[in-house]
Amino acid sequence: AQSVTQLGSHVSVSEGALVLLRCNYSSSVPPYLFWYVQYPNQGLQLLLKYTSAATLVKGINGFEAEFKKSETSFHLTKPSAHMSDAAEYFCAVSATDSWGKLQFGAGTQVVVTP
Amino acid sequence: DTGVSQNPRHKITKRGQNVTFRCDPISEHNRLYWYRQTLGQGPEFLTYFQNEAQLEKSRLLSDRFSAERPKGSFSTLEIQRTEQGDSAMYLCASSPSGTGNTKQYFGPGTRLTVT
Repeated sequence: AQSVTQLGSHVSVSEGALVLLRCNYSSSVPPYLFWYVQYPNQGLQLLLKYTSAATLVKGINGFEAEFKKSETSFHLTKPSAHMSDAAEYFCAVSATDSWGKLQFGAGTQVVVTP
Repeated sequence: DTGVSQNPRHKITKRGQNVTFRCDPISEHNRLYWYRQTLGQGPEFLTYFQNEAQLEKSRLLSDRFSAERPKGSFSTLEIQRTEQGDSAMYLCASSPSGTGNTKQYFGPGTRLTVT
C-alpha cells in the first residue's frame, strides 16, 4: 500500500523568497511521484514527475523537485516566488507496476505576499 | 488539444435527487479517470476506463454511483439518491495508454452541492 503526506496545509511566502513544499511517501518500492498545481476554477496541471531517470527533476514555471530515497521524500522548490505562484499544490504517487492510479496528498495552499 | 471538458461546472441539487455529470476527454486518449475532491483534501480515485471498459472501481464508489463510457468516448457519472456527503468536486482526467507515469490531463471539475 502507498500513501503520501504533505507537511503543512498552508504556506505563506514573500514575493522573491524561496518556495519549499514538503512531500513524503510511503511505499515498499519507490513509486512514480508527481507534483500538480491547482489554480482557482481550473483543472489540476502537472508541474513535474519523477520516473527514476534522474533524482533532480525540473518542471514548468521554474519549479524543481528532488527525489531522496533515503528520506522517502520528494520536496518541491522554486528559488524565487512570484505572485502568480499562489495556488494549491498536490503531491501524488503512482505504483510503478500499476496502470497509473494516482494517490494524492491533502494539498498545500501557497499564499504569496508582496 | 482542446483539453478535458466537464459539464455542468456547478450543480446544486436536493438530497434524494439523481444527478449526472459528463466528461469529454481529449479525443485521442483512451484512458479516462474519475476522482472526487472534498474541501481541504486531495483528489481521491473513483474509477478508471480503458476505452469503454471500466477496469477498476474504488470502494468509495457505492452502489448509488455508476459510471459509463459508451463507445470509449465521453463518460458519464451518475449519482442516485444524493446525500449531503456527496457534496464535492468531481474531477475527470484522461491520458493515452502507458505505464504508471503517464501524464493525466484534468478537466476543471463539476462542483456538486447537495442541500
